[in-house]
Amino acid sequence: AQSVAQPEDQVNVAEGNPLTVKCTYSVSGNPYLFWYVQYPNRGLQFLLKYITGDNLVKGSYGFEAEFNKSQTSFHLKKPSALVSDSALYFCAVRPGGYQKVTFGTGTKLQVIP
Amino acid sequence: GAVVSQHPSRVICKSGTSVKIECRSLDFQATTMFWYRQFPKQSLMLMATSNEGSKATYEQGVEKDKFLINHASLTLSTLTVTSAHPEDSSFYICSASINRPPYEQYFGPGTRLTVT
Repeated sequence: AQSVAQPEDQVNVAEGNPLTVKCTYSVSGNPYLFWYVQYPNRGLQFLLKYITGDNLVKGSYGFEAEFNKSQTSFHLKKPSALVSDSALYFCAVRPGGYQKVTFGTGTKLQVIP
Repeated sequence: GAVVSQHPSRVICKSGTSVKIECRSLDFQATTMFWYRQFPKQSLMLMATSNEGSKATYEQGVEKDKFLINHASLTLSTLTVTSAHPEDSSFYICSASINRPPYEQYFGPGTRLTVT
């Protein structure tokens, strides 16, 4: 069975500082990995995905994530946080070739002005 | 990118009534759609997988007689919450999948259901 762990319920970072939101996963075979952002009372917005290729994936709004196979991690990063980045972030995984997606529990990002 | 819509975005209903939520893929055909439920400050939990023209596959613990899913066409799936109770109040999100590798999924904006 596949699983995703987001060990931090909340991450606080000062505006302008780099941010990292952690994610580790467990899946059979090659994983498809995703990051989504959710604003209050809104649906999910796709940020980025890793399927194959370069381990460093660049996505929307200046976010990027690094796939680390040995550590089974896919941490989300941004060099300089904005107050508008404050939201709920979900990491998700599914096995390659299958459709069922498993989500992590979410990490609330709070960017402090 | 592909667009998925949900209707309504918000609905308030009285306890004991039924409410239908629609999920539409606007610019692509989706053989498979998924229904998720999200409780406040919690993650998305997959409720069921909806396949066009066949019965939905429900996750363990989800009552199929309470959450009726119909996937009558390649662009529309509906979730009907029957005999709703306050504990059914939640945020319901659908996603639609393009049925060829890499099986991209696109999420709808969600429906906030409040049962009074």
